[in-house]
Amino acid sequence: SQELEQSPQSLIVQEGKNLTINCTSSKTLYGLYWYKQKYGEGLIFLMMLQKGGEEKSHEKITAKLDEKKQQSSLHITASQPSHAGIYLCGVPSPGSGYALNFGKGTSLLVTP
Amino acid sequence: DTAVSQTPKYLVTQMGNDKSIKCEQNLGHDTMYWYKQDSKKFLKIMFSYNNKELIINETVPNRFSPKSPDKAHLNLHINSLELGDSAVYFCASSRADRAYGYTFGSGTRLTVV
Repeated sequence: SQELEQSPQSLIVQEGKNLTINCTSSKTLYGLYWYKQKYGEGLIFLMMLQKGGEEKSHEKITAKLDEKKQQSSLHITASQPSHAGIYLCGVPSPGSGYALNFGKGTSLLVTP
Repeated sequence: DTAVSQTPKYLVTQMGNDKSIKCEQNLGHDTMYWYKQDSKKFLKIMFSYNNKELIINETVPNRFSPKSPDKAHLNLHINSLELGDSAVYFCASSRADRAYGYTFGSGTRLTVV
């Protein structure tokens, strides 16, 4: 099965600072999804990356897919308290009916 | 309009009881899923179901069973609840081709006492 490792596991940044979260796969990445989970709530879809080299942005969040490195990165510019939560990367798993197989998540806290 | 809705949001029950969690999606999706999120926040797939087949994660105890009365619903039944079943359970859905991604419900926090 395809394993996803996220780094760092947790992150505390000051408001206004930039940050990057990485998601590294044990196998070739053909597509990857990023989700955010606010504490105690459900998952919010952020972005879907389908091709190597693809880069997508939404507001202050940018995600890239580097197929050679088998890695995706999520970059937040000028972080705000509203960015706090758990960020999860996931890939469809053929052996599980294409359910998303997730990494263990990165917990982000943004301090004033 | 809620796309994927789960009920109840919270469920507290005693060991040994049987309980159900309901999930409904109004997106016209073909495939529905159940996930378990443990205390360390790790999300693990339990079941994947479309109108053709049910795929069960081999680590899921057979006390857990999904039931789909129709394409829009996938309910989770749990028999003989154990303390270790305490977790947050998420329902999700997607199109068969997974275009437009996966939509998740807001979760059901199950506490077994």
